Amino acid sequence: QVQLQESGPGLVKPSETLSLTCNVSGDSIIYYYWSWIRQSPGGGLEWLGYIHYSGSTKYNASLKSRVTLSLDTSKNQFSLKLKSVTAADTAVYFCARGGRRYGDYSFDFWGQGSLVSVSS
Amino acid sequence: SYVVTQPPSVSVAPGETARIPCGGSDIGSKSVHWYQQNPGQAPVLVIHYDNDRPSGIPERFSGSNFGNTATLTISRVEAGDEADYYCQVWDTPTNHYVFGSGTKVTVL
Repeated sequence: QVQLQESGPGLVKPSETLSLTCNVSGDSIIYYYWSWIRQSPGGGLEWLGYIHYSGSTKYNASLKSRVTLSLDTSKNQFSLKLKSVTAADTAVYFCARGGRRYGDYSFDFWGQGSLVSVSS
Repeated sequence: SYVVTQPPSVSVAPGETARIPCGGSDIGSKSVHWYQQNPGQAPVLVIHYDNDRPSGIPERFSGSNFGNTATLTISRVEAGDEADYYCQVWDTPTNHYVFGSGTKVTVL
């Protein structure tokens, strides 16, 4: 059974960088596309970006180049960095597994979510 | 970018059928995926590729997609089906994954 687990600080100061890691167990990270998705308090789901072990990445244009994803095959994990955060970035951040091939797929496995608050 | 719309809420009596719409321009030409989310938990995929149920999802959950509306149907609704439901599509031109705003299903 595939399992995903997010980890990282729960509190980040405004203007600083939010960093989260998603550890994947039960399958190799090289076979799929991996995404970060967030949910603001009481809000809906927002896709942030994906990464593939081939080096392919795609980011949500709404984040205006503040987001960077990376992947470590030796640790079977991938990471999110979101810079210059504001209170609007306060959310639960989920990591999720996408498809094996580029394009149209669903997210079939999700982490439990990591609440990150942006506050001084 | 592509927009999908969902009603904020749907109410249904136990044993009845809940239908949750997801609207978008020519959404019938896209694949639609549906997620169930309970409070404080991660979303769970309940329907993918319009009407395909992942392993472990009850047959009471089904989907359809035609024209400008996709629909998640929950038959013989149970109290445990009370949750938020989100539709999701892939927007080809932008290569973005887009979620609807979610529909809260209330079992009366």
